[in-house]
Amino acid sequence: GAGVSQTPSNKVTEKGKYVELRCDPISGHTALYWYRQSLGQGPEFLIYFQGTGAADDSGLPNDRFFAVRPEGSVSTLKIQRTERGDSAVYLCASSLTGTGELETQYFGPGTRLLVL
Amino acid sequence: AQTVTQSQPEMSVQEAETVTLSCTYDTSESDYYLFWYKQPPSRQMILVIRQEAYKQQNATENRFSVNFQKAAKSFSLKISDSQLGDAAMYFCAYMAAQKLVFGQGTRLTINP
Repeated sequence: GAGVSQTPSNKVTEKGKYVELRCDPISGHTALYWYRQSLGQGPEFLIYFQGTGAADDSGLPNDRFFAVRPEGSVSTLKIQRTERGDSAVYLCASSLTGTGELETQYFGPGTRLLVL
Repeated sequence: AQTVTQSQPEMSVQEAETVTLSCTYDTSESDYYLFWYKQPPSRQMILVIRQEAYKQQNATENRFSVNFQKAAKSFSLKISDSQLGDAAMYFCAYMAAQKLVFGQGTRLTINP
């Protein structure tokens, strides 16, 4: 695709429910990143994929959060037993190889998650 | 741990004037990379400019330039000839092990 796309654009759920957020990276990009942006804050790193494997998941806040990228393209961020504190914008980014420090990360428009 | 601090929550400037956004960072690394991203209301983060720490020359991209002071760990963004389309949140970021560490952002308003 022309850019990184994320679906849904907005998601409202109830406390305790399960949600899935999808990211479709730029075609051919092997690296994919998830960030979380709380209201009034800068984005915070969650997890980074190199191909199908998670190269760094040190930013996942707890075991309710899980992400997959089974075919090395689309990624899904999964949140179990959602809490009100999970409300945030979840941003996805991709880069060509994920091995160069200066490599640009291209961001999608994010999914705004609201947990009631 | 690396941290990035933006001390100006909000800034405003008259159209066509120049504005400087401040950023300081903390790191023990000697080689690293710094970025400024712009986030308009559409939420999509857009790269504005980037700087390699080993380069003494300040990066420039058209109306955008940086003042990189490595010893002071300072990385400010200067926007010349401000335009209405420059209005957005601006985030300073540090790259470490493929992860971007962002500051809290500065909201820039352009007054016509």
